[in-house]
Amino acid sequence: NAGVTQTPKFRVLKTGQSMTLLCAQDMNHEYMYWYRQDPGMGLRLIHYSVGEGTTAKGEVPDGYNVSRLKKQNFLLGLESAAPSQTSVYFCASSYSGLAFGEQYFGPGTRLTVT
Amino acid sequence: AQTVTQSQPEMSVQEAETVTLSCTYDTSESDYYLFWYKQPPSRQMILVIRQEAYKQQNATENRFSVNFQKAAKSFSLKISDSQLGDAAMYFCALFAGNMLTFGGGTRLMVKP
Repeated sequence: NAGVTQTPKFRVLKTGQSMTLLCAQDMNHEYMYWYRQDPGMGLRLIHYSVGEGTTAKGEVPDGYNVSRLKKQNFLLGLESAAPSQTSVYFCASSYSGLAFGEQYFGPGTRLTVT
Repeated sequence: AQTVTQSQPEMSVQEAETVTLSCTYDTSESDYYLFWYKQPPSRQMILVIRQEAYKQQNATENRFSVNFQKAAKSFSLKISDSQLGDAAMYFCALFAGNMLTFGGGTRLMVKP
């Protein structure tokens, strides 16, 4: 099993450009999450999904959109990138909800917006 | 709003010694869960230990144990017999009210 994979691993964008980050998991997990991690800070939840076709806002959803068209994939979109969105983005998945903490994390995507 | 505070940005321990990482939290929820995650240089997040707030017994996982003080809203992690592979960032996290909140992290260095 590959676990949780993220594409791409690195990306540089100019202000105003758009992009989509792809997260894929092969563990048949219901729950998937997108986090961002800024220097010196812990992870903050952007959006999450409790199943195919569902999404919900997390702690810092502004400027991002997500879609979960297939159970194994969770896409994170930036429509108009801003320098404040420079961060490392982590995707995670879990069999049960957040309360159980058994989240499996991807390796992260480092995004720089200039 | 809920908060998680890790007051030690960096800690250092000698190999084979014991170290304790501190975490305090605040929530108005009565039902919640607490976690410690490890993030090595590979950036992969690894669950170290989990504690349910309704359980009085402190969780343990091999060399890792917690000291959960509910009244004081304190959740510290003790690592015994520290190994070089324990060097990493450690994050305390709180799940309450359907939200997961992380602390700012503590960088643990292990000296051979």
